[in-house]
Amino acid sequence: DAGVIQSPRHEVTEMGQEVTLRCKPISGHDYLFWYRQTMMRGLELLIYFNNNVPIDDSGMPEDRFSAKMPNASFSTLKIQPSEPRDSAVYFCASSLAGGLNEQFFGPGTRLTVL
Amino acid sequence: AQKITQTQPGMFVQEKEAVTLDCTYDTSDQSYGLFWYKQPSSGEMIFLIYQGSYDEQNATEGRYSLNFQKARKSANLVISASQLGDSAMYFCAMRRGEIPYDKVIFGPGTSLSVIP
Repeated sequence: DAGVIQSPRHEVTEMGQEVTLRCKPISGHDYLFWYRQTMMRGLELLIYFNNNVPIDDSGMPEDRFSAKMPNASFSTLKIQPSEPRDSAVYFCASSLAGGLNEQFFGPGTRLTVL
Repeated sequence: AQKITQTQPGMFVQEKEAVTLDCTYDTSDQSYGLFWYKQPSSGEMIFLIYQGSYDEQNATEGRYSLNFQKARKSANLVISASQLGDSAMYFCAMRRGEIPYDKVIFGPGTSLSVIP
């Protein structure tokens, strides 16, 4: 398997622009997680899906952030409008269900908002 | 509420020595999993080792072992015979056992530097 795929790997945009991050989970995994990592706040869980349904979005910072999972093999995280404080590395991870199963992380998208 | 604490922001270890990275957790769940991940400077997150709450034996994976003390709610990572390539951030994580509310929470991480 190719592992979790994220695109783009790097994104530089200007404040106010819309940003869309993409993720393809490992085939057969029924969980998908979106994380944000910054030096100040560490690794934060933004939202996670089970069988394409959002289970917990309490980590989404504000209404400018939205995430969708239209099918089992694709998810997007959208920021509109983007702000400089959104600059971070965004990770997507997937896993099988249950406390016994580890997450597999994608390579991350490094977002810079100017 | 669930919480992971890693009290060592940074650690140094001499090459070939063993090192213990601390992790304590707080949960009222009976079923949960504990995980350690490594994040080298290149940025990827690498799964290292897992311990289930009902496992009676400590988990081991090569040079990694997990010192699990359930009553104390601690899950320390032990790296034996440290190598220069072990220099990285190490994150302790916990996952609930209750599907579909089996979210994962991470600790703040410990930065390990291996000295030649």
